[in-house]
Amino acid sequence: DTAVSQTPKYLVTQMGNDKSIKCEQNLGHDTMYWYKQDSKKFLKIMFSYNNKELIINETVPNRFSPKSPDKAHLNLHINSLELGDSAVYFCASSQEFRGEKKLFFGSGTQLSVL
Amino acid sequence: KQEVTQIPAALSVPEGENLVLNCSFTDSAIYNLQWFRQDPGKGLTSLLLIQSSQREQTSGRLNASLDKSSGRSTLYIAASQPGDSATYLCAVPSGGGSQGNLIFGKGTKLSVKP
Repeated sequence: DTAVSQTPKYLVTQMGNDKSIKCEQNLGHDTMYWYKQDSKKFLKIMFSYNNKELIINETVPNRFSPKSPDKAHLNLHINSLELGDSAVYFCASSQEFRGEKKLFFGSGTQLSVL
Repeated sequence: KQEVTQIPAALSVPEGENLVLNCSFTDSAIYNLQWFRQDPGKGLTSLLLIQSSQREQTSGRLNASLDKSSGRSTLYIAASQPGDSATYLCAVPSGGGSQGNLIFGKGTKLSVKP
């Protein structure tokens, strides 16, 4: 009954590879996000999707592409992985209600690029 | 550009102590402020959300206050327990509205010793 689930939990790969991280939410929320937490624990927004439309796209490399097959899923695809991509990636979802927008986060995917 | 700062970066206290975590933000035109808890290897859990019109919110042993004019929020934890050990992050939406992506502080890592 996990609200926001992402897989895999750990991902170790070589430079130059292409990889995907999957995210699913069963909360019925209309907005989903990807955040990156770097080695200094700084958490920064990467993308958000609302009703299958990209509404926020921070300055991330175009090697990163979010893909949303439906409202409950927002997958993160990364091409040509680089050492600097090593970080923990968090998926999240939210639904605004009476001016409040609480985010629910997945448990994170620790990506290590060797 | 909104920036969020949290002090201290780390805090270690004996069990039973009351403690205060600090959060400051540079742009006082915020819509709300959230406090999150992050456990190692897990996602973020929303603890409290304070609307800009509110001065404080309480949940159990947690009390969060907001002073918009001075750009500060505090999270007060009463009678701390070892289970409170985690990283605590505060975040505000960018752009002054509720739709902006969250801007996070770097967090305060709390350790409560038995």
